Amino acid sequence: GENVEQHPSTLSVQEGDSAVIKCTYSDSASNYFPWYKQELGKRPQLIIDIRSNVGEKKDQRIAVTLNKTAKHFSLHITETQPEDSAVYFCAATLGTGNQFYFGTGTSLTVIP
Amino acid sequence: NAGVTQTPKFQVLKTGQSMTLQCAQDMNHNSMYWYRQDPGMGLRLIYYSASEGTTDKGEVPNGYNVSRLNKREFSLRLESAAPSQTSVYFCASSEDGGREQFFGPGTRLTVL
Repeated sequence: GENVEQHPSTLSVQEGDSAVIKCTYSDSASNYFPWYKQELGKRPQLIIDIRSNVGEKKDQRIAVTLNKTAKHFSLHITETQPEDSAVYFCAATLGTGNQFYFGTGTSLTVIP
Repeated sequence: NAGVTQTPKFQVLKTGQSMTLQCAQDMNHNSMYWYRQDPGMGLRLIYYSASEGTTDKGEVPNGYNVSRLNKREFSLRLESAAPSQTSVYFCASSEDGGREQFFGPGTRLTVL
């Protein structure tokens, strides 16, 4: 099956700085890559996703990049704010598949 | 719309006891999922249902059974609970495979 690795496991940044979280995957057939944000005690919620026919996608301060050749994708958060503090999970799956494989999560702390 | 709902929110069991976790969605989604979340392990798929009447094993199905009662409801049963099943359980649904998953609020289960 697919194996998704996520780094770093913890990340602290000053408010206003950028944060980058990286994930690698093993199955070259995977072609849908979502990112979920989970605040403490809450449910995971999708923040951005990308499909393999696209190299980059942006939504305001959040962007995701995908390198299919190297089998890795990254989440970029610019101008971080305290409310960005949460655990972020990447995932990978086949385009129409139901088997989502999640990374182990990155705990992001934004220091005011 | 309530989205995805789960009951109960908390549960404490003794080893060997059985219980059923309930999940319902009101978004007319075809696909439904059960995950467990353990510290440092991310979200791991237990079972999923791609459509009403079908269920399939995920990454960690041992010790669990599921029922897709109808399009709205997907239950998870622990027949003989073990301490290793202490976890937070999330139900999720999506329109179809390879699409955004919407998560329920979670059930925190402790097995003594």
